[in-house]
Amino acid sequence: EAQVTQNPRYLITVTGKKLTVTCSQNMNHEYMSWYRQDPGLGLRQIYYSMNVEVTDKGDVPEGYKVSRKEKRNFPLILESPSPNQTSLYFCASRPSLRSYNEQFFGPGTRLTVL
Amino acid sequence: QKEVEQNSGPLSVPEGAIASLNCTYSDRGSQSFFWYRQYSGKSPELIMFIYSNGDKEDGRFTAQLNKASQYVSLLIRDSQPSDSATYLCAVNSGIYGGSQGNLIFGKGTKLSVKP
Repeated sequence: EAQVTQNPRYLITVTGKKLTVTCSQNMNHEYMSWYRQDPGLGLRQIYYSMNVEVTDKGDVPEGYKVSRKEKRNFPLILESPSPNQTSLYFCASRPSLRSYNEQFFGPGTRLTVL
Repeated sequence: QKEVEQNSGPLSVPEGAIASLNCTYSDRGSQSFFWYRQYSGKSPELIMFIYSNGDKEDGRFTAQLNKASQYVSLLIRDSQPSDSATYLCAVNSGIYGGSQGNLIFGKGTKLSVKP
């Protein structure tokens, strides 16, 4: 089954404790991205990757890191989480940069930073 | 600052009626327009996309695009209670700045279809 998986699905942590949210897709997609969704602010892109070893900042990259060592995986790293990073996070993938209509979203990770 | 604007709702319609959802966007360079449906606590799901001016129909859904007015709409005919969700309008970043391949999302319109 074609899918994007994220782990963990729910996480409660404390300020400053490094964490990683994993994202994996089994569709051989080149383009992957991370979004956060906040009430009243909508979905905003954090980082994106056009292919292995090619990553760049989205609209709200502060406080986040990513890596793309393999095509299928695109982890989101919070080196020192803060309460303002409490949010619902979605990973998304699609075959290529312009294949917008083939974008899949993962199930989401609800993160709470105390 | 590229923006996509939607009425937050809630929009309430009776079962069987036509639901009309509207969206305006600021970036004249945008070429691709999308409607996502998001059930509470779930991930967004693409239901319609449109690239050219005019109407595009798919089952009970019709997307309408007017690039001159920078306006996109979604019509849902014969609305069902299962259509109750938040509908997100999304527009690709135009060629003038912004991250490559980014979709700019509106905040969403919450639709409630009453039996």
